[in-house]
Amino acid sequence: QKEVEQDPGPLSVPEGAIVSLNCTYSNSAFQYFMWYRQYSRKGPELLMYTYSSGNKEDGRFTAQVDKSSKYISLFIRDSQPSDSATYLCAMSAPGGGNKLTFGTGTQLKVEL
Amino acid sequence: GAVVSQHPSRVICKSGTSVKIECRSLDFQATTMFWYRQFPKQSLMLMATSNEGSKATYEQGVEKDKFLINHASLTLSTLTVTSAHPEDSSFYICSGDETLTDTQYFGPGTRLTVL
Repeated sequence: QKEVEQDPGPLSVPEGAIVSLNCTYSNSAFQYFMWYRQYSRKGPELLMYTYSSGNKEDGRFTAQVDKSSKYISLFIRDSQPSDSATYLCAMSAPGGGNKLTFGTGTQLKVEL
Repeated sequence: GAVVSQHPSRVICKSGTSVKIECRSLDFQATTMFWYRQFPKQSLMLMATSNEGSKATYEQGVEKDKFLINHASLTLSTLTVTSAHPEDSSFYICSGDETLTDTQYFGPGTRLTVL
């Protein structure tokens, strides 16, 4: 079993839809959670960083963490074609030297 | 956010040659940098952790003599793929660990093609 599970998609939605992206993890030591967006042939770009259970909002993006269920989500409201990318969840544990463990990434396509 | 650059962005080389990839943190100091490789439609796999002024720590299965890492300053780490072979063709991405926020910022990646 992988430490971090993420549905690879692809996920196709119409413009304006609410997108829900999810990851589950098995290592209870993970305390820091991140979402990265990666466009084709580019490096990942940090979208959200959170370390506590609950919701964190930034513009059209909301990150949700449920440590009791070992489940994290990223919601994108009013999705745009420019949101089409691969979304990677990542997480790390305290004392781990900030080493990140990534999910496989979910490929998202927002269609006009 | 903090900016990390990589050079070159793309390189094509012949089998048996060595290739050096540079990773620079442009507006912050990175005591720690990480090197990843990514195959098509797959996630990032950590290769090694590079610490300024000390030897890199390699992940299991990564040959340290093949992937030489040097982190000579707080803003520069280099990865040298020695005696490259076609199976080394991949997308190599570095990241810098921004100490104040304890966040990794990624470079744009280097696509290596070994013929």
